[in-house]
Amino acid sequence: GDSVTQMEGPVTLSEEAFLTINCTYTATGYPSLFWYVQYPGEGLQLLLKATKADDKGSNKGFEATYRKETTSFHLEKGSVQVSDSAVYFCALTIGTSYDKVIFGPGTSLSVIP
Amino acid sequence: SQTIHQWPATLVQPVGSPLSLECTVEGTSNPNLYWYRQAAGRGLQLLFYSVGIGQISSEVPQNLSASRPQDRQFILSSKKLLLSDSGFYLCAWSRDSEKLFFGSGTQLSVL
Repeated sequence: GDSVTQMEGPVTLSEEAFLTINCTYTATGYPSLFWYVQYPGEGLQLLLKATKADDKGSNKGFEATYRKETTSFHLEKGSVQVSDSAVYFCALTIGTSYDKVIFGPGTSLSVIP
Repeated sequence: SQTIHQWPATLVQPVGSPLSLECTVEGTSNPNLYWYRQAAGRGLQLLFYSVGIGQISSEVPQNLSASRPQDRQFILSSKKLLLSDSGFYLCAWSRDSEKLFFGSGTQLSVL
């Protein structure tokens, strides 16, 4: 079945370090891919998305490229800040039916000054 | 603009007691509505979704139920809570777009 796998956390980085959070997926169709972020005590917010192969989603300095050949959608940021500390979820949907968004398990990121 | 309200923010309930969590959406009509659960250290699990009033689909068998009495109201219920029902419950909506809008969540502790 369709699934999303993320790197295990927690991830701890120093401020201004480079961030990569790996995400790979398994899907029978042609999924759209998303990164959501959850700040402490809050719900999830969409961070970025990509709807087809080779698309690059970007927002707030974060980027992820839809790699069909490796079925991956890794999240990157060149210089993290303390305010980026949160849990990051990779997710996918198939087609245009949004009754089933499949989330990865989440990766907790802590950025220390 | 659209907003989603979810309450209460925290809830502590004894085992065997009933549950009612409410979610309302403003600023849109006929949204798709969802209930997710996030257990400690785990990802998000879709519990229920609804594409219209009175239409509920369940993703997992459990002692929880959902209802949609009005277009923009979604309620999660239980007649008798179990310890395993503890978790962070998130309501979300979507409509004609490729993203979910989440509420702020309810932290449920069953003791």
